[in-house]
Amino acid sequence: EVQLVESGGGLVQPGGSLRLSCAASGFTFSNFAMSWVRQAPGKGLEWVSAISGSGGGTHYAESLKGRFTISRDYSKNTLYLQMNSLRAEDTAVYYCAKGGSHFDNWGQGTLVTVSS
Amino acid sequence: EIVLTQSPGTLSLSPGERATLSCRASQSVSSSYLAWYQQRPGQAPRLLISDASSRATGIPDRFSGSGSGTDFTLTISGLEPEDFAVYYCQLYGSSPPRYTFGQGTKLEIK
Repeated sequence: EVQLVESGGGLVQPGGSLRLSCAASGFTFSNFAMSWVRQAPGKGLEWVSAISGSGGGTHYAESLKGRFTISRDYSKNTLYLQMNSLRAEDTAVYYCAKGGSHFDNWGQGTLVTVSS
Repeated sequence: EIVLTQSPGTLSLSPGERATLSCRASQSVSSSYLAWYQQRPGQAPRLLISDASSRATGIPDRFSGSGSGTDFTLTISGLEPEDFAVYYCQLYGSSPPRYTFGQGTKLEIK
């Protein structure tokens, strides 16, 4: 059974940093692209970033303007999202999701709140 | 940039009725890259349909997807109580890789 378990969310001040993790199990981690998708309170889904199965390709939503970095650790079967220069508008539940053209598995999400 | 517009924003129906949800792209897209998701309150999204019309594993056959070009439809025949949720369409663009979601349709009990 595929499992994706996010962690690392919490309350952070504007301008601060946070690193999210997503522990993956139940599938061959290196065979699949992975993404982060976020959802602001009461709002819709917004794709944030994706990384190829090999880790050689990374892609970001243009709105992020270089503040976020996606990576993966194959020895730990874990996906990461390093978030810097956080803003109030980054407040959201962050989901990790497995898949290339579509997302066939999602984690339960981790809440990031950016506030002073 | 391709925009996905879902309609209606809210759909009020009764259990047993048929739901028809629309997703319109701002320009013609490949149906191979159009997916639908269901999100129940407090839960993560769940994949329903990929490639515009292929049901995901474990999805009941009352869910069906259709369409091509700019117009895509998710149909739920015979609504069950657990089907009342928010539905999103999603498009994948490959050069460079990008994922676009529609704004969602809320299916509520009438």
